[in-house]
Amino acid sequence: QVQLVESGGGVVQPGGSLRLSCAASGFTFSNFGMHWVRQAPGKGLEWVAFIRNDDNDKLYADSVKGRFTISRDNSKNTLYLQMNNLRGDDTAVYFCAKGHPPYSNGWADFWGQGTLVSVSS
Amino acid sequence: DIQMTQSPSSLSASVGDSVTITCRASQGINRFLAWYQHKPGKVPNLLIYAASTLQSGVPSRFSGSGSGTDYTLSISSLQPEDVATYYCQTYSSAPFTFGPGTKVDI
Repeated sequence: QVQLVESGGGVVQPGGSLRLSCAASGFTFSNFGMHWVRQAPGKGLEWVAFIRNDDNDKLYADSVKGRFTISRDNSKNTLYLQMNNLRGDDTAVYFCAKGHPPYSNGWADFWGQGTLVSVSS
Repeated sequence: DIQMTQSPSSLSASVGDSVTITCRASQGINRFLAWYQHKPGKVPNLLIYAASTLQSGVPSRFSGSGSGTDYTLSISSLQPEDVATYYCQTYSSAPFTFGPGTKVDI
């Protein structure tokens, strides 16, 4: 069965950096695009970034463009989100999600449990 | 960028009621629309994709429809376990924006 396990969250000061990871199993990771989605406390879901299965296309929300970088290692079945210059409004639970259908951008059919990022001095 | 709106922002209904949530895109999205259910403390759950295709395992009381800019999610007979916030999302083009959500209570 599909499993997505995020890690790397924690408390970081404004202006700091953090790298999130998402370990995937139960499907052919290299065939599917992957999303990061976040939810700030008391707020709705916000799409953050998407990466195609072959790493050839990376898409970002305007709110994180230039500060966050999505990447993947298909040999390790792992998705990453490098977050730099963090701000208070980046505080959120970050979910990784598997895209569908394969080889394209699309909806998110399976989600991880999420990892909490808290930006505070 | 495509903006997504939802109405109502919240609703309260009784068990067995039919419920409809509306999602509107700022431009046509060619049915590139998904609906998710999110319960507090849980992982978001895909309900519908391509505007009207029910995800495997989702109860048939959920249905989706629409085209162009206007889409709806319907629950034909509301159950206690349907208490959640429901989000639409377009995957027509980046950014893959979510709607603001509709909170459903009983």
